[in-house]
Amino acid sequence: NAGVMQNPRHLVRRRGQEARLRCSPMKGHSHVYWYRQLPEEGLKFMVYLQKENIIDESGMPKERFSAEFPKEGPSILRIQQVVRGDSAAYFCASSREAGVYEQYFGPGTRLTVT
Amino acid sequence: QKEVEQNSGPLSVPEGAIASLNCTYSDRGSQSFFWYRQYSGKSPELIMFIYSNGDKEDGRFTAQLNKASQYVSLLIRDSQPSDSATYLCAVGPGAQKLVFGQGTRLTINP
Repeated sequence: NAGVMQNPRHLVRRRGQEARLRCSPMKGHSHVYWYRQLPEEGLKFMVYLQKENIIDESGMPKERFSAEFPKEGPSILRIQQVVRGDSAAYFCASSREAGVYEQYFGPGTRLTVT
Repeated sequence: QKEVEQNSGPLSVPEGAIASLNCTYSDRGSQSFFWYRQYSGKSPELIMFIYSNGDKEDGRFTAQLNKASQYVSLLIRDSQPSDSATYLCAVGPGAQKLVFGQGTRLTINP
């Protein structure tokens, strides 16, 4: 499968636990974007990363959220001490290179905080 | 004013007719414009992108861009029940974050 891969597809966490969401971009893509879709709301940009660099994190909540895209391995979105309001669908998208604008989305991770 | 605005619908169109979806945006510096289709419980699927003023056609889909009016639209010809979905307009300053509209729910009636 050459598409964007995300895992897990569904994640249940209790309040106060940590959530780790993983994203592997499409083959040949080096740019990764994370978006969040709250129930009955639109998609909101969170963070844009290239390998080993955070390019734009203007949409990321200041506390509890972090993202990385290491030289080897998938991009990871980490949410510490989850709260019920973090329950949402988290989508990762990837694009090929600078100047190529099309972003392709993965299947998403549905996070439920109980 | 929202950065990207769409009529939330629902928009109901008979099968075989043309569905017209509209989107306006506020950032005059926007360079890239996209239409995504999202079925309930699924992820957004890129169906059209356009970067220059005018029309761009791909099969049954036509995207139209008017930068002077800050307006982008999507036409779906010969609408099929499988086209029933939420259509998301997305606007980008470039190869960076996309700003999405709230989406328009489209229902094609057999």
